[in-house]
Amino acid sequence: GNSVTQMEGPVTLSEEAFLTINCTYTATGYPSLFWYVQYPGEGLQLLLKATKADDKGSNKGFEATYRKETTSFHLEKGSVQVSDSAVYFCALSVTRGAQKLVFGQGTRLTINP
Amino acid sequence: DGGITQSPKYLFRKEGQNVTLSCEQNLNHDAMYWYRQDPGQGLRLIYYSQIVNDFQKGDIAEGYSVSREKKESFPLTVTSAQKNPTAFYLCASGTSGDRDTQYFGPGTRLTVL
Repeated sequence: GNSVTQMEGPVTLSEEAFLTINCTYTATGYPSLFWYVQYPGEGLQLLLKATKADDKGSNKGFEATYRKETTSFHLEKGSVQVSDSAVYFCALSVTRGAQKLVFGQGTRLTINP
Repeated sequence: DGGITQSPKYLFRKEGQNVTLSCEQNLNHDAMYWYRQDPGQGLRLIYYSQIVNDFQKGDIAEGYSVSREKKESFPLTVTSAQKNPTAFYLCASGTSGDRDTQYFGPGTRLTVL
């Protein structure tokens, strides 16, 4: 079946630290991969995406590379800020007659000043 | 301003009452989705619709109902048959022309007293 496994949280870092949130997936076919971010009390915002192997998605200093050989899509940022504190969700698309997303359980990130 | 709106942001209901959550989009997307989010968990798909007047059950459809009479609107009714309705409900929309990307509304927090 299709599934997404994320690094368990919560993750706490100091400002300007390097961030990695691991995400691995199991899928049939060639899914698109996504990272969404959720700030407290809000809906999900698309952070970045990659649609084929070796693609790199990037946005707001965050990056993730679609690695087919390791079935991974790890999220990275070189220097985090307090404003990056949120919950991050990795997801993959399943398109078999319908566009459906399968989400990981989310990783809560807290950045301390 | 294109986007997805959900109303109300907070909703309180007594046990045994049906309640309808609103979701409207002006992105001209064909597909719309309803998800449920419980504390510390990922998103679970309740219902989705790929086209007007058609919808399919997701992973946790029991106790919920939907309609799709207009392209822009996809209301969700939480019925009294839903055993544990208190949750954060998220609506999303998407189009196959955007590689399965889904865009989310701000969410409605439903509390059943």
